[in-house]
Amino acid sequence: EDQVTQSPEALRLQEGESSSLNCSYTVSGLRGLFWYRQDPGKGPEFLFTLYSAGEEKEKERLKATLTKKESFLHITAPKPEDSATYLCAVQSALNDYKLSFGAGTTVTVRA
Amino acid sequence: GAVVSQHPSRVICKSGTSVKIECRSLDFQATTMFWYRQFPKQSLMLMATSNEGSKATYEQGVEKDKFLINHASLTLSTLTVTSAHPEDSSFYICSARDDLETQYFGPGTRLLVL
Repeated sequence: EDQVTQSPEALRLQEGESSSLNCSYTVSGLRGLFWYRQDPGKGPEFLFTLYSAGEEKEKERLKATLTKKESFLHITAPKPEDSATYLCAVQSALNDYKLSFGAGTTVTVRA
Repeated sequence: GAVVSQHPSRVICKSGTSVKIECRSLDFQATTMFWYRQFPKQSLMLMATSNEGSKATYEQGVEKDKFLINHASLTLSTLTVTSAHPEDSSFYICSARDDLETQYFGPGTRLLVL
């Protein structure tokens, strides 16, 4: 069974204070690892897909990396508008390409 | 990016009534759509996979007769909560999968059953 564990559960940052979120996973036949951002009362917003170890993707202040066991989402010089819950999910070719989600990391950035 | 809409965004109904939620992919065609349920401060729980032109596939523990899913076109899937009860109150979110197997999510529907 696919397992996704995100840490920390919550992260409070000062504006400009860079940090990283962790997503550890166990999956058979990884097809892709996805990062989403979810604001309160909204649906998840797609950020990145990573397909193989060593791959990196960037978008504004966010950078996602992938190894064979985990993924990191780095937030560089965060702003208050980066406050959200960040969800990690894995997709397996052996599971009809469904997504298995972690519990998320809630990031709060104070001005 | 790809856009998925849901309607309504919020619904309040009396116990015993049925509620229909629509999910549309606005700028791409989706052979497969998914329906999730999310409880406060918890992650998304997959309820069912909706395939255009065929019967939906339900996850273990999800009552297919209670949560009716129809995927009549490549841009529209509907979820009907039949004979809703207060325990069905939740945040329901749909997603549509594109040709690259990426799921794009709708904004969600908040259901409150009184």
